Amino acid sequence: DIVMTQSPDSLAVSLGERATINCKSSQSVLYSSDNNNYLAWYQQKPGQPPKLLIYWASTRESGVPDRFSGSGSGTDFTLTISSLQAEDVAVYYCQQYYTTPRTFGQGTKVEIK
Amino acid sequence: QVQLVESGGGVVQPGRSLRLSCVVSGFTFSTYAMHWVRQAPGKGLEWVAVISYDGSNKYYADSVKGRFTISRDSSRNTLYLQLNSLRPEDTAMYYCARDFPWFDTWGQGTLVTVSS
Repeated sequence: DIVMTQSPDSLAVSLGERATINCKSSQSVLYSSDNNNYLAWYQQKPGQPPKLLIYWASTRESGVPDRFSGSGSGTDFTLTISSLQAEDVAVYYCQQYYTTPRTFGQGTKVEIK
Repeated sequence: QVQLVESGGGVVQPGRSLRLSCVVSGFTFSTYAMHWVRQAPGKGLEWVAVISYDGSNKYYADSVKGRFTISRDSSRNTLYLQLNSLRPEDTAMYYCARDFPWFDTWGQGTLVTVSS
């Protein structure tokens, strides 16, 4: 199974400042035949199901604000919130869909400082 | 719009069974693989099972293999998860999700509590 490890487990950022979450996979999720990274990011607010933010490691889902961006390739990935807003307080998860089982990172809790 | 609605959760004793349902609407159910994902209280997301678009292939997490069964009925636009031999550690919110192959749509979840 591919193990997904996120860092940090939690972070507190001031409003308007940048938040950066890292995700590392135990093996590459870059599929050589199509040159895509099979990596997604989700946001989960309390009492709600997860919401898709990013797929193919860097493609924003429709309707997701452009302050959210994804980057990275192979085994190392980053989710960046360029200017944290109050509504961004949530837990963020990375997930690989390169293979089954579809594993998630342990989650990173983002709070306001 | 695309919608997934889970039901069937509840409080059940260890060793008993439960069947969860996920009714879908707004898309052609028979053309998508579907997943179940669970989340224990205060914990992270755990993938549980997947079924292919036509029901011919099914895969399970090791933690539920041999106890849970995923199935689908395209005539009813419904995904199922049969939970047998339930354990306290199966206590969680259970979500169904559409395979895109990322999980683009999730239901609101149904809560399963295993307790004596």
